[in-house]
Amino acid sequence: GENVEQHPSTLSVQEGDSAVIKCTYSDSASNYFPWYKQELGKRPQLIIDIRSNVGEKKDQRIAVTLNKTAKHFSLHITETQPEDSAVYFCAASGGYNQGGKLIFGQGTELSVKP
Amino acid sequence: NAGVMQNPRHLVRRRGQEARLRCSPMKGHSHVYWYRQLPEEGLKFMVYLQKENIIDESGMPKERFSAEFPKEGPSILRIQQVVRGDSAAYFCASSPQGAENSPLHFGNGTRLTVT
Repeated sequence: GENVEQHPSTLSVQEGDSAVIKCTYSDSASNYFPWYKQELGKRPQLIIDIRSNVGEKKDQRIAVTLNKTAKHFSLHITETQPEDSAVYFCAASGGYNQGGKLIFGQGTELSVKP
Repeated sequence: NAGVMQNPRHLVRRRGQEARLRCSPMKGHSHVYWYRQLPEEGLKFMVYLQKENIIDESGMPKERFSAEFPKEGPSILRIQQVVRGDSAAYFCASSPQGAENSPLHFGNGTRLTVT
């Protein structure tokens, strides 16, 4: 089945700097890659997603890139703010025998220092 | 739209008791997913259901755990004879189609503590 690896597990940046989180997936048939943000004690919330027919998608300070050949995708946050501090999860779905379920990476705890 | 509703928010059970976790999906969503999250860990897939059908239960422990999504009413995740290792946050998510076609919307979770 699908396996999603996420790095780094923790990331600390200064306010205003950029943050990059990287994920790799194993199933070449996966075609949908969302990113979720989870604040402490709260539910995961979708922040951006990308499908395999595009290589990049941007929404204000957040962008996601996808390299299908290498089977990896990345989240880029520019001009980070303290409220960006949270755990971020990448995920993948649509692969062979995945049956429509979403498989998550292990998470990255982002800390933005003022 | 009220969003995905889970209850209870917190549940305390003694070892050997049963835990019942409920999830009402968003209106119009017929696909329900359950995930387990241990402290400071990721979201582990447990089971995927559509109305009255279990589509994929590959992440569910073979014993003590069961799930259902009846024609009427919420989806239920049932844990029998709970043990301390079952303590975790259990999140339900729903979507109008399968996860490869539409985003999952998560509930606020049920935090189960087994004493």
